[in-house]
Amino acid sequence: AQSVSQHNHHVILSEAASLELGCNYSYGGTVNLFWYVQYPGQHLQLLLKYFSGDPLVKGIKGFEAEFIKSKFSFNLRKPSVQWSDTAEYFCAVNRGGNTPLVFGKGTRLSVIA
Amino acid sequence: KAGVTQTPRYLIKTRGQQVTLSCSPISGHRSVSWYQQTPGQGLQFLFEYFSETQRNKGNFPGRFSGRQFSNSRSEMNVSTLELGDSALYLCASSLGTGGSGELFFGEGSRLTVL
Repeated sequence: AQSVSQHNHHVILSEAASLELGCNYSYGGTVNLFWYVQYPGQHLQLLLKYFSGDPLVKGIKGFEAEFIKSKFSFNLRKPSVQWSDTAEYFCAVNRGGNTPLVFGKGTRLSVIA
Repeated sequence: KAGVTQTPRYLIKTRGQQVTLSCSPISGHRSVSWYQQTPGQGLQFLFEYFSETQRNKGNFPGRFSGRQFSNSRSEMNVSTLELGDSALYLCASSLGTGGSGELFFGEGSRLTVL
């Protein structure tokens, strides 16, 4: 069965620090990759997605992610976090077509002033 | 454009009861997916409906069921509730089948089972 692993359960950073959240998946074929974010009290929303092409994907709010096929990874990065980035971040993967989106367990990011 | 609407937002039930949750997708979206979100397990896929047909089903017991109506609105039902069913139930809609693009999530229905 396809699975998605997010290595960090809770990350605490100071404002202006750089962020990298890890995501690995187990499926070896063609995949579509997503990062979603859930701000406190809000619904899940899409940060960025990768279907094909340039493996470095830019999303909203200065986030980017790099797809490394050989490592089955899709890590999320941001050069300088802000307090408003405090949220829970979910990596998600599917095989496209009619397959469901499988989510990782999430990483909670707390940004302190 | 109105987002995904889920009702009720909060509900409390006791063990053994059943519950029905409703989801109205974004207008024009034909796919509705349901997820269970808990602190320990994250988001777990329940099922997906597209044009009134169940396309995919997750690894949940038969107590969990769903359906989709001709207007794309969807309901999920949980019978014989157990304490472990306490969770946030999320509905998401998309234009095509859920795997083909972005999912738009509702705010969820928070179920507490006592």
